[in-house]
Amino acid sequence: SAVISQKPSRDICQRGTSLTIQCQVDSQVTMMFWYRQQPGQSLTLIATANQGSEATYESGFVIDKFPISRPNLTFSTLTVSNMSPEDSSIYLCSVTVAGPYEQYFGPGTRLTVT
Amino acid sequence: QKEVEQNSGPLSVPEGAIASLNCTYSDRVSQSFFWYRQYSGKSPELIMSIYSNGDKEDGRFTAQLNKASQYVSLLIRDSQPSDSATYLCAVSGGYNKLIFGAGTRLAVHP
Repeated sequence: SAVISQKPSRDICQRGTSLTIQCQVDSQVTMMFWYRQQPGQSLTLIATANQGSEATYESGFVIDKFPISRPNLTFSTLTVSNMSPEDSSIYLCSVTVAGPYEQYFGPGTRLTVT
Repeated sequence: QKEVEQNSGPLSVPEGAIASLNCTYSDRVSQSFFWYRQYSGKSPELIMSIYSNGDKEDGRFTAQLNKASQYVSLLIRDSQPSDSATYLCAVSGGYNKLIFGAGTRLAVHP
């Protein structure tokens, strides 16, 4: 597996502002993903963070709202822009280390928008 | 639309019993299957992976896969209160992505 850290672990933000979440891995990984988990719900994939190129977004998620960077093989950021209370959620990054689908998750960022 | 279905529970079992968690999936070409455990307020933790038909055992956990029936299950033997969590089934969905089920909440009572 890999050791994955996320910053911040939690935050309370005002509507209309933006928050950037960082995901750091202790080793180079092939794939990095960003998920959202709303209260009591399962995981929803936001996008695949591609190293050196634009992220690949899932249906319903757009770059203007969730810009993603991945400057190298160990680090990625997700920005939640122009936040509204509906963006209150846990945001998780995950990585694949060995097999192409075997994903490991970071500890998550709990975001509350007021 | 590729789907993964799980009974949301809660599944309540007494301590020491076998807990059986089930999952069905819609995409016949899926080849990789995973079980994650998620404690309340924590992130998902990978506990089992299975790629071939049959059983795979790891300690108290056994994953079972039947590709013909598009069915994967997780058995937890000698269930402990510490096993109380939500168990997520995940299936490969192409392009290195996973499709997650909604999860089954397991409650093990003393």
